[in-house]
Amino acid sequence: KNQVEQSPQSLIILEGKNCTLQCNYTVSPFSNLRWYKQDTGRGPVSLTIMTFSENTKSNGRYTATLDADTKQSSLHITASQLSDSASYICVVTSSYNTDKLIFGTGTRLQVFP
Amino acid sequence: SQTIHQWPATLVQPVGSPLSLECTVEGTSNPNLYWYRQAAGRGLQLLFYSIGIDQISSEVPQNLSASRPQDRQFILSSKKLLLSDSGFYLCAWSDVGIPEKLFFGSGTQLSVL
Repeated sequence: KNQVEQSPQSLIILEGKNCTLQCNYTVSPFSNLRWYKQDTGRGPVSLTIMTFSENTKSNGRYTATLDADTKQSSLHITASQLSDSASYICVVTSSYNTDKLIFGTGTRLQVFP
Repeated sequence: SQTIHQWPATLVQPVGSPLSLECTVEGTSNPNLYWYRQAAGRGLQLLFYSIGIDQISSEVPQNLSASRPQDRQFILSSKKLLLSDSGFYLCAWSDVGIPEKLFFGSGTQLSVL
């Protein structure tokens, strides 16, 4: 069964600190993996996308990594800001059906001053 | 540029009442359209997706239905709401060429009482 699991479920950090969110998936065959940021009460917004051949992708203070062998991805946030408080969702697409995305349940990040 | 509009933002409805949520996309043609539901503390669940007018696939059997009367209009409906229909509903679109990159609307928070 194609699944996407994220950890931790929630995370609290102080402003200025770094953090890393994890995503493990069992989706096969793999097409791509996206990280989305979802502010409370809003729709998710895409942060990064990685295909099988990509190991690292950055978007400002966000850096995503992908290990296609172990089927793991991480999202690293550097020098966190209060505005980083949101849910971060890992989404994987299977090349069998690129119209159907497989969503993780997300990591709820809270950044405190 | 492309934009997606979803309304209403919040809705409180009694059990057994009908439902109609609307979503329109501007700035693109023949988009893939999606309805997702996000229950509290859970991941996004795909409800319906459409690759064209009157071409709608249902992912989860339930008392909800979707219609696409125009190319860029997607409507989520119910004849009689259940308590379990409460949740955060998100409309999304993607380009036919890049189906895995979703652009989400701002969401509708539905409370069925």
